[in-house]
Amino acid sequence: AQSVTQPDIHITVSEGASLELRCNYSYGATPYLFWYVQSPGQGLQLLLKYFSGDTLVQGIKGFEAEFKRSQSSFNLRKPSVHWSDAAEYFCAVVPWPSSGNMLTFGGGTRLMVKP
Amino acid sequence: NAGVTQTPKFQVLKTGQSMTLQCAQDMNHNSMYWYRQDPGMGLRLIYYSASEGTTDKGEVPNGYNVSRLNKREFSLRLESAAPSQTSVYFCASSDLYSGGDQPQHFGDGTRLSIL
Repeated sequence: AQSVTQPDIHITVSEGASLELRCNYSYGATPYLFWYVQSPGQGLQLLLKYFSGDTLVQGIKGFEAEFKRSQSSFNLRKPSVHWSDAAEYFCAVVPWPSSGNMLTFGGGTRLMVKP
Repeated sequence: NAGVTQTPKFQVLKTGQSMTLQCAQDMNHNSMYWYRQDPGMGLRLIYYSASEGTTDKGEVPNGYNVSRLNKREFSLRLESAAPSQTSVYFCASSDLYSGGDQPQHFGDGTRLSIL
């Protein structure tokens, strides 16, 4: 079945440490790929997106993600985490071809940041 | 810029009651979506409207109905609420006709509890 998997439900890192959040998808063709962040009590905010071209994409708040076709992965990274990065992160895809631009989400990874 | 506005923000219902969740966007987007968010499951699509005048079922449509009132507004109705519909509901919009690569913009959610 087509799906998006975020293997880590919770991750805790120390402030200033590097971060990598994993995302794997199972679709035949390369989908459109997104990372969203959700702060407590808020809606989802787009961090970055990948459609084609350079496999390393830069986003807001110092985040980046790398698309690896061979691994069907789109992992999110940040070199140095800040306390304000504590939130829930969602990987999402729009399968190609797609009708209606429908997003399929992973289950989310909750990030906690230790001082 | 308001973006996507959802009302109400919180609601408590009794089993069997009905209610309508409202959503409006001011970005002149063609497509609108309703999701529900449950712990560990990410967001799941309930219904979507690719353009004004059309609506389609998503992954979990049972127990819900929608109305695309005009280009700006997309409402979600629970005819007879059940405890299993306790969730956080998000509305989103995107400019589909620019391609499936357009990100969705999310409201802040409606937290619905059904007793």
